[in-house]
Amino acid sequence: DAGVIQSPRHEVTEMGQEVTLRCKPISGHDYLFWYRQTMMRGLELLIYFNNNVPIDDSGMPEDRFSAKMPNASFSTLKIQPSEPRDSAVYFCASSFALNYGYTFGSGTRLTVV
Amino acid sequence: QKEVEQNSGPLSVPEGAIASLNCTYSDRVSQSFFWYRQYSGKSPELIMSIYSNGDKEDGRFTAQLNKASQYVSLLIRDSQPSDSATYLCAVNRGGTGGFKTIFGAGTRLFVKA
Repeated sequence: DAGVIQSPRHEVTEMGQEVTLRCKPISGHDYLFWYRQTMMRGLELLIYFNNNVPIDDSGMPEDRFSAKMPNASFSTLKIQPSEPRDSAVYFCASSFALNYGYTFGSGTRLTVV
Repeated sequence: QKEVEQNSGPLSVPEGAIASLNCTYSDRVSQSFFWYRQYSGKSPELIMSIYSNGDKEDGRFTAQLNKASQYVSLLIRDSQPSDSATYLCAVNRGGTGGFKTIFGAGTRLFVKA
């Protein structure tokens, strides 16, 4: 398996633009997680899915953020409109059970100018 | 008080020494515990998981868990320069608040050749 695949690796966008981050989890993993990492706040859980259903989105910072998982092999995290304070590395991770460790994707480094 | 606390370091050890990394957590209902290694500019990588009190060994790594003291540690024996990275402690908790994985801020480790 190629692991968790994220795209793009880097994204630079202007404030106010829409940003879409993509993730393909490991086949057979029923759980998918979106995390954000910054120097100030560390790794923060934004949302997680179980069998394509959003379970907990309490970490999504505000309505500008939305996430979908239309099928078992694809998820998106969308920010609209983007703001400079959204600049961070966004990681997608997957796991086959809640009480197991995660496999992280390589991340998307987002810069909003 | 943070839910998961780690000394930010940096922790500097000579090559061949034992590196000891510590983590405390605040929620007594925490169920499972993980150590991730993150190289600069890379994604976190799971290196150890532990679920019950005591020691768990995997190669040069030993995880230690003491639920009574709410303490988990990672020992790296025969430290190598390639072990230089940030080590993240992660704690899974369930309970009435729902499932949550909380990451510590990480401890930076430098292994001097």
